Amino acid sequence: DIVMTQSPFSLAVSEGEMVTINCKSSQSLLSSGNQKNYLAWYQQKPGQSPKLLIYYASTRQSGVPDRFIGSGSGTDFTLTISDVQAEDLADYYCLQHYSYPPTFGAGTKLELK
Amino acid sequence: QVTLKESGPGILQPSHTLSLTCSFSGFSLSTYGMGVSWIRQPSGKGLEWLASIWWNGNTYNNPSLKSRLTVSKDTSNNQAFLKVTSVDTADTATYYCAHSNFIHRGYFDYWGQGVMVTVSS
Repeated sequence: DIVMTQSPFSLAVSEGEMVTINCKSSQSLLSSGNQKNYLAWYQQKPGQSPKLLIYYASTRQSGVPDRFIGSGSGTDFTLTISDVQAEDLADYYCLQHYSYPPTFGAGTKLELK
Repeated sequence: QVTLKESGPGILQPSHTLSLTCSFSGFSLSTYGMGVSWIRQPSGKGLEWLASIWWNGNTYNNPSLKSRLTVSKDTSNNQAFLKVTSVDTADTATYYCAHSNFIHRGYFDYWGQGVMVTVSS
């Protein structure tokens, strides 16, 4: 199985700050055929189901604010949230869907400082 | 508009079989590329993929649950099903079903609201 190592476990921020969440995979998620990275990012607010933010490592899902930026390739990926808003306080997960079984990172809790 | 909704027993006893239903709209599991996956999340913990079923009937299960999982579909009624045999307290979790597209190699783009399942005697 591909292991997804996500960091940090939690992050305390003030509104307006920029934050970065990291995800490292135990194997490359880059497809040699189409040069796409099979890495997605999700946001989960308390009591809600996960919401897709980013797919193919850097493509924002429709309707996701442009302050959410995904980057990285191969085995190292980052989710950057610029100008954090109170509504962004949530848990964030990365997902690799390069190979079965799909595996998630352990999650990052974004809290208000 | 894709929507999914899970339903299940709420509570069941150890060693019993958990049966869950995912009722969906906005797509058909007979259409090329469409898939439904099951993911669970124990309270306060992370996400674990369980199983997927695709438009062509192919299924994939998480090997960590060995042969306890069975996923199936009823295309006519737009439903997918998950059975988990021999449950114990470790299977207590919120269970989600989610839509995937094989063309994108299966990230989960639409999720149901989840159904909470408690295993308790």
